[in-house]
Amino acid sequence: AQRVTQPEKLLSVFKGAPVELKCNYSYSGSPELFWYVQYSRQRLQLLLRHISRESIKGFTADLNKGETSFHLKKPFAQEEDSAMYYCALSGLPGANNLFFGTGTRLTVIP
Amino acid sequence: GAVVSQHPSWVICKSGTSVKIECRSLDFQATTMFWYRQFPKQSLMLMATSNEGSKATYEQGVEKDKFLINHASLTLSTLTVTSAHPEDSSFYICSARGVVTQYFGPGTRLLVL
Repeated sequence: AQRVTQPEKLLSVFKGAPVELKCNYSYSGSPELFWYVQYSRQRLQLLLRHISRESIKGFTADLNKGETSFHLKKPFAQEEDSAMYYCALSGLPGANNLFFGTGTRLTVIP
Repeated sequence: GAVVSQHPSWVICKSGTSVKIECRSLDFQATTMFWYRQFPKQSLMLMATSNEGSKATYEQGVEKDKFLINHASLTLSTLTVTSAHPEDSSFYICSARGVVTQYFGPGTRLLVL
């Protein structure tokens, strides 16, 4: 069965400090992994996906198949990064049947 | 970018009544839409996959007769909560599948009294 674990419900960091949001997954095949973000009073939106290997808003995430992890990282946190972050897995290509983790609320302290 | 709307944004109804929630893709056609449910402080749980012109595919544990889904056009999917009860109170979110990701609606908060 598929499973996405985000161990931290809440994470607070100071502005300018590095931030890492953890995500571990369990899936028998080769999943696609995503990070979605929800800013205050806004809808859920895609932040990045592992197959694109790009940096969005300074965030990167590397898929580690050995550790079955897809941690989200940013070297210098900004206040506008404060939001709810969800790690998600899709067993099918093209973001079908997304399975979400429980989310981590990131607060960047000025 | 792709925009998905939901209507209504919130609804309060009496127990036993039915409630219809609309999900529209405003600037693109979506052959596939998804319906999620989110309880307070919990994650999004996929309820069903809605395919235009065919029956929806429901996730395990979701009653298809309770949550009726209709996807009659490429831009509209509806979720009807039939004979709603207080335990159906939740936040319902739809999404439409694009090329590389899903585009999410703003959600509908349902409160059943």
